[in-house]
Amino acid sequence: DAGVTQTPRHEVAEKGQTIILKCEPVSGHNDLFWYRQTKIQGLELLSYFRSKSLMEDGGAFKDRFKAEMLNSSFSTLKIQPTEPKDSAVYLCASSFQGNTEVFFGKGTRLTVV
Amino acid sequence: QQQVRQSPQSLTVWEGETAILNCSYEDSTFDYFPWYWQFPRESPALLIAIRPVSNKKEDGRFTIFFNKREKKLSLHITDSQPGDSATYFCAASLYNQGKLIFGQGTKLSIKP
Repeated sequence: DAGVTQTPRHEVAEKGQTIILKCEPVSGHNDLFWYRQTKIQGLELLSYFRSKSLMEDGGAFKDRFKAEMLNSSFSTLKIQPTEPKDSAVYLCASSFQGNTEVFFGKGTRLTVV
Repeated sequence: QQQVRQSPQSLTVWEGETAILNCSYEDSTFDYFPWYWQFPRESPALLIAIRPVSNKKEDGRFTIFFNKREKKLSLHITDSQPGDSATYFCAASLYNQGKLIFGQGTKLSIKP
């Protein structure tokens, strides 16, 4: 029974590079979320999809962050260009629909140098 | 703008004691309040959740107390065990919206 799968688990990027993080939600889930987790800011919502439609793209993250969901079983988060302040754990999560359990992937730890 | 607030930031209790973690929210239209816990080097996972139709939800040693009028809730962990040491996140969402707004978390340490 596959949970949320994220790749890669770790990524090191140089400042200014473009990186793409990947996520496969739990099969059959309609909602997909991208969160960023840091010690200072906690869990911040980057993007929210419902049935592949973008519902929210996280305001402050609009300029360099772009999430896409081309099909119901795959999503990407592109950061372009990366900056050192983007260093964080990026978590993908999915749920069946509102007010049901949200399942998190293991995350991608991004380090920008 | 912090829509969900948690206190304290960190808490240490002795094994066997009751730990109390607090949460408050601003938007009175929130209607689903899950608590997630996160162990070091792992991702958050659902622990227990409540909807405003109830003012209490119990699951073993974990109980949520909910006060709709004051827009506050608390998580009580009775007979705390060292394995309960984790960061606990209170979250909130609107009806039929899957998006969760998380608090900053409370880091709980249980001393044996």
